Amino acid sequence: GQQLNQSPQSMFIQEGEDVSMNCTSSSIFNTWLWYKQDPGEGPVLLIALYKAGELTSNGRLTAQFGITRKDSFLNISASIPSDVGIYFCAGHQRGSQGNLIFGKGTKLSVKP
Amino acid sequence: GAGVSQSPSNKVTEKGKDVELRCDPISGHTALYWYRQSLGQGLEFLIYFQGNSAPDKSGLPSDRFSAERTGGSVSTLTIQRTQQEDSAVYLCASSPHGGKNTGELFFGEGSRLTVL
Repeated sequence: GQQLNQSPQSMFIQEGEDVSMNCTSSSIFNTWLWYKQDPGEGPVLLIALYKAGELTSNGRLTAQFGITRKDSFLNISASIPSDVGIYFCAGHQRGSQGNLIFGKGTKLSVKP
Repeated sequence: GAGVSQSPSNKVTEKGKDVELRCDPISGHTALYWYRQSLGQGLEFLIYFQGNSAPDKSGLPSDRFSAERTGGSVSTLTIQRTQQEDSAVYLCASSPHGGKNTGELFFGEGSRLTVL
C-alpha cells in the first residue's frame, strides 16, 4: 500500500531550539496535513496544506507543501517544553474517499 | 462534551473473545473513520463512513473485524475471536466535510485494547 516516509523517527530538543521534520512519498497528494499527538490523547490537527508550494504558518509552526506534491516539511521555531509529543504527517488524495495516509510519526522529547 | 467520544477507554480481554468499541462523533459530522495505532507505529486506516454511502472497508485487516454506523451517528467497531496481535489503540475520528473531504479529522482519545 501507499506509504509516507517520515523523518526523523525521534529527536531531542532543548528549549529554544528550532526543529524540523519532513515527509516524503512516491505518490502525489492533494492535501498534506500535520497532526500532533500527546500521550493518551488522539491526534490534533496543527496545519493543513492544500496547494503545491503553499507555505503556511500557525504561531511558531511553519509547514510547506512541496512543489512536486510528494513531500512536506514542518518547522517549529524556538521550541518550548509543551512541544514534546508525536508529530504525524498525513496525506490525502482527491478521489480516495476519506482515507488519510499517515506517516509513522516523529517523537519529540526534551534533552536530558 | 463537544468532541469525539470513545468507549471504553481501556479494554482487557482474553484471546478468542469478541469485543465492541463505540464511537460517538461530533454532532453534525457526516464522515466517520476508524484507525488503529499499534505501539510506536503510525495510524493504520481501517474503515470510513460517509453519510448514507457504502462504507470504505478496504483497511479492515481480516473478516474478524467489522463496523457499523447506525443512523449516521454512533459507530461500533467489532472484533471477533480476538488475537494478541489485535492489541492496539483504536482511534475514531469524524469530519464535518461531505463529498469534498479535505482530510481534516477530529480524533477521539482512543480505546486501548489489550488481548491476553
